[in-house]
Amino acid sequence: DAGVIQSPRHEVTEMGQEVTLRCKPISGHDYLFWYRQTMMRGLELLIYFNNNVPIDDSGMPEDRFSAKMPNASFSTLKIQPSEPRDSAVYFCASSSDTNTEAFFGQGTRLTVV
Amino acid sequence: DQQVKQNSPSLSVQEGRISILNCDYTNSMFDYFLWYKKYPAEGPTFLISISSIKDKNEDGRFTVFLNKSAKHLSLHIVPSQPGDSAVYFCAASAWGETSGSRLTFGEGTQLTVNP
Repeated sequence: DAGVIQSPRHEVTEMGQEVTLRCKPISGHDYLFWYRQTMMRGLELLIYFNNNVPIDDSGMPEDRFSAKMPNASFSTLKIQPSEPRDSAVYFCASSSDTNTEAFFGQGTRLTVV
Repeated sequence: DQQVKQNSPSLSVQEGRISILNCDYTNSMFDYFLWYKKYPAEGPTFLISISSIKDKNEDGRFTVFLNKSAKHLSLHIVPSQPGDSAVYFCAASAWGETSGSRLTFGEGTQLTVNP
């Protein structure tokens, strides 16, 4: 398996624009996580899905953030409108019930100017 | 509230010496602990873990120690190598949660091993 695949790797956008980050989890994994890495807080869990259903979105910072998982092999994280303080690295991770660890993608570095 | 804390943002050691990275947690429901390693421009990768029923787990040069009463764990790397230079994240989970691996991470510690 190619592992967790995220796209794009880098995204630069202007304030106010919509940004969509994409993730393909490892095949067979039924948990999908979206994390954001910042210097101050490390890796923060934004939302996670189990069998394509959002289980906990309490980490989503504002209504500007939304996430979907239309099927077992694809998820999106959308920010609309984007703001400079959203600049961070966003990671997607997946796991299964038999794993105790999550497997991470390479991340999307988002810069909002 | 930061339930998992890594109070040292950075650590520098000489090659061949021991590296000790520390982590504290506040949630007594946590019963599984992990360390992840992250190189620049890559995602975190799993390194080693420990269950709360143990106080030590060893894997080659890496050993994790858990002190439940102090809610403290540490990662020891002996001997340290320049290739170990990376950001190390401590993470914790509680099996009572619905997900098998919903992890709460610390802020990370940048380890630099000097040749």
